[in-house]
Amino acid sequence: ETGVTQTPRHLVMGMTNKKSLKCEQHLGHNAMYWYKQSAKKPLELMFVYSLEERVENNSVPSRFSPECPNSSHLFLHLHTLQPEDSALYLCASSQDRAGLRQFFGPGTRLTVL
Amino acid sequence: EDKVVQSPLSLVVHEGDTVTLNCSYEVTNFRSLLWYKQEKKAPTFLFMLTSSGIEKKSGRLSSILDKKELFSILNITATQTGDSAIYLCAVHSGAGSYQLTFGKGTKLSVIP
Repeated sequence: ETGVTQTPRHLVMGMTNKKSLKCEQHLGHNAMYWYKQSAKKPLELMFVYSLEERVENNSVPSRFSPECPNSSHLFLHLHTLQPEDSALYLCASSQDRAGLRQFFGPGTRLTVL
Repeated sequence: EDKVVQSPLSLVVHEGDTVTLNCSYEVTNFRSLLWYKQEKKAPTFLFMLTSSGIEKKSGRLSSILDKKELFSILNITATQTGDSAIYLCAVHSGAGSYQLTFGKGTKLSVIP
């Protein structure tokens, strides 16, 4: 049990839909992360929030929009996605500001038709 | 640009075998190297290594870091089918940075 939950676990959406991914951490951590994991590619960091402020944004297209209303919750809002955005989206959190040891959620498997 | 390379990309062994997974890296301002095991979805933490030459051990798994040669190995002895997973190596670099740079992973399959 990692203490990081994600919903939904699976999502199929059309290119014109708008949907949101949710992540919640029950560990009292200070930082939260969104990663994208595509087949045969390394995990790619998308966004980092520390104490609800976005501290890193790795040139992610604007069709992905993160939101961190408090230190326990993180959202990823999706709109007008492309088929190549189909991937596993993983949320993680860490206690320390250095982000050394990150605890991952189970991920959302996203398919864009 | 930071780079983490894992080898092999996939490996099939029989139960009871010993395996060695490799991770080499090129990063600026190295801080630590982490190993994760990813079975179905969520990667789970195995080890964090910051000092060269000190072996970390947990049961049948062990890992060591060589900061001079810029690599780490993960050893698994007496493999079991439950060890089948993707093993991810990640490097944390840069003062104040939250970013972990991941390798592509090694997919290990242990067959009975």
